[in-house]
Amino acid sequence: DAKTTQPPSMDCAEGRAANLPCNHSTISGNEYVYWYRQIHSQGPQYIIHGLKNNETNEMASLIITEDRKSSTLILPHATLRDTAVYYCIVNNAGNMLTFGGGTRLMVKP
Amino acid sequence: EAQVTQNPRYLITVTGKKLTVTCSQNMNHEYMSWYRQDPGLGLRQIYYSMNVEVTDKGDVPEGYKVSRKEKRNFPLILESPSPNQTSLYFCASRLRSTTNTGELFFGEGSRLTVL
Repeated sequence: DAKTTQPPSMDCAEGRAANLPCNHSTISGNEYVYWYRQIHSQGPQYIIHGLKNNETNEMASLIITEDRKSSTLILPHATLRDTAVYYCIVNNAGNMLTFGGGTRLMVKP
Repeated sequence: EAQVTQNPRYLITVTGKKLTVTCSQNMNHEYMSWYRQDPGLGLRQIYYSMNVEVTDKGDVPEGYKVSRKEKRNFPLILESPSPNQTSLYFCASRLRSTTNTGELFFGEGSRLTVL
């Protein structure tokens, strides 16, 4: 599976959009981009995934660049409860799922 | 309610005393996996299983064993625990999907301390 690169930390003001970038320049054609988040030491929680097209669900939006080498997770109106570590991973339904260091998002009042 | 259940949630033990961390899922998922999480190292995969009686090593399998005798259960076995196995452990499951639309469902974690 391709490796991902994320900034170690970001801040966001409450109520504003949080844009979390992820670089996956070695992604291959059949690999999906997945996003998970982990609040404190709870089990990671699935947020969204996509292959080529932009995706949106009730939690977030995922924007994938046309060359698929990077993506951005958007939390449109961040709340204090969105403070968490966000992981971007790429996977082709393989069995070795690698979580990197993630981005620690701090939402501030 | 769809869930992955791990037990125990917290355990303090001593070096060399065999222990088992159980994991059970009620979603009829084929794929199950164990991760450990340590400060600064993220989540690292220990073992995974594609289906009953099919298991394989992840990134950090040393010192661990697993078994998959039933679809719903995937216990993690530490035959002779050592202090470097002190960690936060997560079990996860998902549908085995060739179309790659399977999200991972994680348990709440088991915090293990080996003295």
